[in-house]
Amino acid sequence: QVQLVQSGAEVKKPGASVKVSCKASGYTFTNYGISWVRQAPGQGLEWMGWISGYDGNTNYAQKLQGRVTMTTDTSTSTAYMELRSLRSDDTAVYYCARESAAVAGTRGFFDYWGQGTLVTVSS
Amino acid sequence: EIVMTQSPATLSVSPGERATLSCRASQSVSSNLAWYQQKPGQAPRLLIYGASTRATGIPARFSGSGSGTEFTLTISSLQSEDFAVYYCQQYNNWPRSFGQGTKLEIK
Repeated sequence: QVQLVQSGAEVKKPGASVKVSCKASGYTFTNYGISWVRQAPGQGLEWMGWISGYDGNTNYAQKLQGRVTMTTDTSTSTAYMELRSLRSDDTAVYYCARESAAVAGTRGFFDYWGQGTLVTVSS
Repeated sequence: EIVMTQSPATLSVSPGERATLSCRASQSVSSNLAWYQQKPGQAPRLLIYGASTRATGIPARFSGSGSGTEFTLTISSLQSEDFAVYYCQQYNNWPRSFGQGTKLEIK
């Protein structure tokens, strides 16, 4: 069965960086993309960006450009999301989600989700 | 960026009754629209994609309709486990975008 297992909760100070992992199993990693979505406490869902499991191409939300980097390791079927220069408003649960868009320019919805990783930014 | 607007923000319905949730896109997304259900402390779960296709394992009481800019999620006879927050999301364009959510609560 398809599973996305994320790394554990993190506590970071303002200005630091965080890197969250998302290990996929139960499907061919290179046939899909991974999107990252975050949810601040009590708030809605915010799309952060997408990475192709096929060729590593990325598409980031404009507001995070320059602070976020998404990568993959196809040898371990793992996706990573690194967010730098953390601020208090980056405190959120971060989710990875499998997207059926494997390459740029295609369209996909999020059919499987990781369990979420709480990132707390506090001095 | 396509802005997704959901209404109402909160919907109070009695178990066994029908619930109708709306989602509007600021420009056409064709049928590239998904609905998700989220319960407290859980990840979202895909309910509907392609505006009207139920995801695997989703009960038939959930149905989606619409195309272009206007979409509806209908739950025909509410069960206790259906009380949750529902999000629509367009995947026609990048950036992908979500509505702000509709909280479905017990009346």
